[in-house]
Amino acid sequence: DAGVIQSPRHEVTEMGQEVTLRCKPISGHNSLFWYRQTMMRGLELLIYFNNNVPIDDSGMPEDRFSAKMPNASFSTLKIQPSEPRDSAVYFCASSLGETGGTDTQYFGPGTRLTVL
Amino acid sequence: AQSVTQLGSHVSVSEGALVLLRCNYSSSVPPYLFWYVQYPNQGLQLLLKYTTGATLVKGINGFEAEFKKSETSFHLTKPSAHMSDAAEYFCAVRGAGNQFYFGTGTSLTVIP
Repeated sequence: DAGVIQSPRHEVTEMGQEVTLRCKPISGHNSLFWYRQTMMRGLELLIYFNNNVPIDDSGMPEDRFSAKMPNASFSTLKIQPSEPRDSAVYFCASSLGETGGTDTQYFGPGTRLTVL
Repeated sequence: AQSVTQLGSHVSVSEGALVLLRCNYSSSVPPYLFWYVQYPNQGLQLLLKYTTGATLVKGINGFEAEFKKSETSFHLTKPSAHMSDAAEYFCAVRGAGNQFYFGTGTSLTVIP
């Protein structure tokens, strides 16, 4: 199993540019999560999907952030326009999505975003 | 509502010494509890988890944690620290849905 795949691993962009982060969850997993990690705020849940449907996006900081999951094997997190304060490591995680069960989240390696 | 509190953002131990990382949780439902480890420039890896049954849970790399309901705790221990244990450790509790609520993390330094 390849695990959760994220791309790119590193992204450097200039303020105002559009940034798209990509995630391929583990095959067979029905839940997908986007997190942001910074020194100041730690690990924050941005949004999560069950069966490709967004369930809770209350962690999305602003309208500049959007996430999609067009199919079970792909998700994107888009920032438009990007700002320096968006600089962080963005993690994608997936899980089987067993409600009431012993669901475990598996994390990707992260995308380190730097907005200049 | 669910939450976790990790006491001590930084812990230093000598190589070979006991590792104790503290985690207290709050949960309105029977908790499912997790410890993850994050090595530099990597994602989070599952160390161990408690769901039901035995309250002492053994994980990878010699770590274990004990679920104590009366104390609402799930502290992580390892009898003898190794240099390779230096990392960031996160405690998490699963909510009523599929969400995980993570603590703020504890950075473990192992002194040779």
